[in-house]
Amino acid sequence: GDKVKQSPSALSLQEGTNSALRCNFSIAATTVQWFLQNPRGSLINLFYLVPGTKENGRLKSTFNSKESYSTLHIRDAQLEDSGTYFCAAETGGYKVVFGSGTRLLVSP
Amino acid sequence: EAAVTQSPRNKVTVTGGNVTLSCRQTNSHNYMYWYRQDTGHGLRLIHYSYGAGNLQIGDVPDGYKATRTTQEDFFLLLELASPSQTSLYFCASSGSRDRENSDYTFGSGTRLLVI
Repeated sequence: GDKVKQSPSALSLQEGTNSALRCNFSIAATTVQWFLQNPRGSLINLFYLVPGTKENGRLKSTFNSKESYSTLHIRDAQLEDSGTYFCAAETGGYKVVFGSGTRLLVSP
Repeated sequence: EAAVTQSPRNKVTVTGGNVTLSCRQTNSHNYMYWYRQDTGHGLRLIHYSYGAGNLQIGDVPDGYKATRTTQEDFFLLLELASPSQTSLYFCASSGSRDRENSDYTFGSGTRLLVI
């Protein structure tokens, strides 16, 4: 089964609304990263997390290693937030494993 | 500017053909990775390396070889390409793990079509 499971697989939001994406891990993740793949296909770093919480503008992410999950909260969604969001877990030996992604579409 | 450069950008080959995908990073990073991206699967790790001459097996290694010739260069080899290997391939690099922020950097991808 999936070692890094993301939910939901797809999401539609209206501009200005809030939402949360989630990753559940069936592996022992030591760190978590979140990426955005924009409509042009480029992968952009959003967060790198040890257990804890980080915030950057309208984005906030939490990594709970004891309960094996991470969340990405998007506040006041904008059109440019559209794309596919990936979480990735680092396990022992510097192996980084990705989830299948959440496709987000923000509409006016 | 630090970067990860992949070549070629696009490649078409026939079944049974021999293909080499190249990745060069100028980040002075130790770790390099090859992923394939397919609809419904996200990015799946093929091979990775933590230095010149080192190779680690990822989650979907079958049909792929890789070689890290220098700290900068990481190659992915398909010696008998099959249509199931049609995909978008990404290379990435990262540096020390003792950091506050991620320095994980992706290339722009290579789109491979095996006919």
